[in-house]
Amino acid sequence: GAGVSQSPSNKVTEKGKDVELRCDPISGHTALYWYRQSLGQGLEFLIYFQGNSAPDKSGLPSDRFSAERTGGSVSTLTIQRTQQEDSAVYLCASSPSRGAWDTQYFGPGTRLTVL
Amino acid sequence: LAKTTQPISMDSYEGQEVNITCSHNNIATNDYITWYQQFPSQGPRFIIQGYKTKVTNEVASLFIPADRKSSTLSLPRVSLSDTAVYYCLVCSNYGGSQGNLIFGKGTKLSVKP
Repeated sequence: GAGVSQSPSNKVTEKGKDVELRCDPISGHTALYWYRQSLGQGLEFLIYFQGNSAPDKSGLPSDRFSAERTGGSVSTLTIQRTQQEDSAVYLCASSPSRGAWDTQYFGPGTRLTVL
Repeated sequence: LAKTTQPISMDSYEGQEVNITCSHNNIATNDYITWYQQFPSQGPRFIIQGYKTKVTNEVASLFIPADRKSSTLSLPRVSLSDTAVYYCLVCSNYGGSQGNLIFGKGTKLSVKP
């Protein structure tokens, strides 16, 4: 079946611009995660959605970052007034149940470059 | 908050068994141990998960001692295609903040011919 998809695959923007990154999770998966991975670094947790519950935003690095998930499916991560330090690969993952220990299925990521 | 410690890198040769150990001294009763594999320009992929003792699947084995303060991922007879970064993840199965989803920097395994 179809896996997690993300778009765009690459995004180049200028400092100060807003960007939107999209994630399409696996159909039927209730949990959705966003991570950030800077060059040569591990994955940094950003935000977690579970069904209709309020999202866990504990990993968002600043108020310039926000995310929403419409209809329990597609999610959009928005970065306002981008900065050069926002350059990274943004990964989305989904999992079938509510347990944090459940297997996460990752998308290919969106590589964001802020000039 | 269970944090993990892994070697930054490891080298091996084709056909050898590779063991990567992860330390998680503050693991909680509800925590599971999960390993992921990541190839360049791809998202991580689930390898194996365990709670205690030993788990084996078609890809790897996971050894967890009784105190659960560490775990060892064992890859039998590695090939060049096993060259990747391996992440150890410890997280619980109860609700609350998911900020404990800490992947860390992982272990970069290089398999040589």
